Amino acid sequence: AQTVTQSQPEMSVQEAETVTLSCTYDTSESDYYLFWYKQPPSRQMILVIRQEAYKQQNATENRFSVNFQKAAKSFSLKISDSQLGDAAMYFCARPFGGGADGLTFGKGTHLIIQP
Amino acid sequence: NAGVTQTPKFRVLKTGQSMTLLCAQDMNHEYMYWYRQDPGMGLRLIHYSVGEGTTAKGEVPDGYNVSRLKKQNFLLGLESAAPSQTSVYFCASSLSNRIEAFFGQGTRLTVV
Repeated sequence: AQTVTQSQPEMSVQEAETVTLSCTYDTSESDYYLFWYKQPPSRQMILVIRQEAYKQQNATENRFSVNFQKAAKSFSLKISDSQLGDAAMYFCARPFGGGADGLTFGKGTHLIIQP
Repeated sequence: NAGVTQTPKFRVLKTGQSMTLLCAQDMNHEYMYWYRQDPGMGLRLIHYSVGEGTTAKGEVPDGYNVSRLKKQNFLLGLESAAPSQTSVYFCASSLSNRIEAFFGQGTRLTVV
């Protein structure tokens, strides 16, 4: 099975500071999409950002940006100006591939925001 | 805007009982999915559907069955619940596998 690895079970950052969450994956495909989802205590899964592998430009959504290194199969999420509302579990995900649909998720990173 | 709605939100079952989880979406999406989330794990795909009348197995399909009789509904069935099926279940839908999937709020199921 193709895997998604998040090596940081928990991260802590001071409010207003910048934090980077790491994600690596494996794939045999050349064209694919990558996602970061946020899961706050409410349990709702919320899309944070999406990256298309064929695009060299890193995706950006307001305070959230990615560092996509295709050759290294790395897809990190940078959160700038961290806010208390950013506290949540963050999951990296990619499509299953190989003709199957659905997403494969990493185990998640618990982000703590220190006031 | 309802989006993706799961019923029920919480349920406690005894071992061996059966139940059906209902997922309804009002976005006219073709793709629908059922995931489970266990402590310390990301979401894992149980079954999915790429259109009305179609279903396919995901990563962890054993012990579950699904049906997609109507485009807007995707049902997940447990025929004989086991404690190992204690989990939070999420339904999701999307226009395709290459764009955002919208998730329901989850169902917390406990099997005792």
